[in-house]
Amino acid sequence: AQRVTQPEKLLSVFKGAPVELKCNYSYSGSPELFWYVQYSRQRLQLLLRHISRESIKGFTADLNKGETSFHLKKPFAQEEDSAMYYCALTPGGKLIFGQGTELSVKP
Amino acid sequence: DGGITQSPKYLFRKEGQNVTLSCEQNLNHDAMYWYRQDPGQGLRLIYYSQIVNDFQKGDIAEGYSVSREKKESFPLTVTSAQKNPTAFYLCASTLLGGRSGAEAFFGQGTRLTVV
Repeated sequence: AQRVTQPEKLLSVFKGAPVELKCNYSYSGSPELFWYVQYSRQRLQLLLRHISRESIKGFTADLNKGETSFHLKKPFAQEEDSAMYYCALTPGGKLIFGQGTELSVKP
Repeated sequence: DGGITQSPKYLFRKEGQNVTLSCEQNLNHDAMYWYRQDPGQGLRLIYYSQIVNDFQKGDIAEGYSVSREKKESFPLTVTSAQKNPTAFYLCASTLLGGRSGAEAFFGQGTRLTVV
């Protein structure tokens, strides 16, 4: 079965602390993985994609095929990072999402 | 101004009635998707379409129907058979069905309430 799992519903950290949002996937093919973010009162938007191996707003994510994971990391969280984060997988033309993790960065 | 537009923003329906949610995109994207967003459950895929006149069921298609007569339009009908239709509905589109890292663009959503 194709599935994306984000085990944490809520992650609360203090400003300046490291952040790791977990994402595990289940897919027998070659995965294409993404992180999307939804800031308050804004549309869901792309944060980063594994194929680009990019760093956006200080966030990075590495695909680990052995552990079937695509965790999102940032070394120093900022208050403006507070948002809802979704991990996504595109198996064969579908686009499926995890349950989402709400990140709250406190001052 | 390119983008994806959902209408209406809020919709009220009486029990037993069908209702159609609109989704239009002018991005020339091939693939379009409908999701239902409930608290704590993330985005669950209802239907998706990779090409005109073709669509596939997602994980929670029961009680919903779609059509894809034009590339830019992918309306969703919530039928009276949907047992718990009150929810927030999101439409999205991508080039290439999301392959090769193609970014998905989202509408602002429609909040449907059954009264």
